Amino acid sequence: GQQVMQIPQYQHVQEGEDFTTYCNSSTTLSNIQWYKQRPGGHPVFLIQLVKSGEVKKQKRLTFQFGEAKKNSSLHITATQTTDVGTYFCAWGASARQLTFGSGTQLTVLP
Amino acid sequence: ETGVTQSPTHLIKTRGQQVTLRCSSQSGHNTVSWYQQALGQGPQFIFQYYREEENGRGNFPPRFSGLQFPNYSSELNVNALELDDSALYLCASSLGGFKDTQYFGPGTRLTVL
Repeated sequence: GQQVMQIPQYQHVQEGEDFTTYCNSSTTLSNIQWYKQRPGGHPVFLIQLVKSGEVKKQKRLTFQFGEAKKNSSLHITATQTTDVGTYFCAWGASARQLTFGSGTQLTVLP
Repeated sequence: ETGVTQSPTHLIKTRGQQVTLRCSSQSGHNTVSWYQQALGQGPQFIFQYYREEENGRGNFPPRFSGLQFPNYSSELNVNALELDDSALYLCASSLGGFKDTQYFGPGTRLTVL
């Protein structure tokens, strides 16, 4: 069956350093979404990627979808304390089910 | 804020009891999905309702059931509560399927003692 791993599980960075989280699938994904969940909060939608090789940017955030549509990454440039939270990738396991990765918990040290 | 509301915010129940959680979807959204998020894990899909019909279900037993009303608000019912049901329950509304943006509510924190 389909297996998707999200790595790393935890990441501590100094403020100003970059951060990257990855989702790697054993099978082709039709699309992938990224969410951010602040401590004590709820997931907030960041972006959806659909096309092979797609790259989207939101200010300091860069999202990529691999050419084979089996990998995706979220890269944050020059992290700030407001970036703290857990970042999840999510994909449509079927037309009627959205599955979330295990998340990467980001801590930004001032 | 997303416009998705959930009630109650927190709830404490004992094992064997039943619970009903409520969700009001964002205006214009006809699809509501429910998720269970255990501490330190990602949300797990329970089921989805589209226009008052169950439209998909994750790997949860039948004691997890739901309803969607004509105004697209929704309820999640859990019977015979177990300790492992302790979690944050999230609902998310959207315009349609999972290719559409999911707007999450703040969640209901359920503790089963």
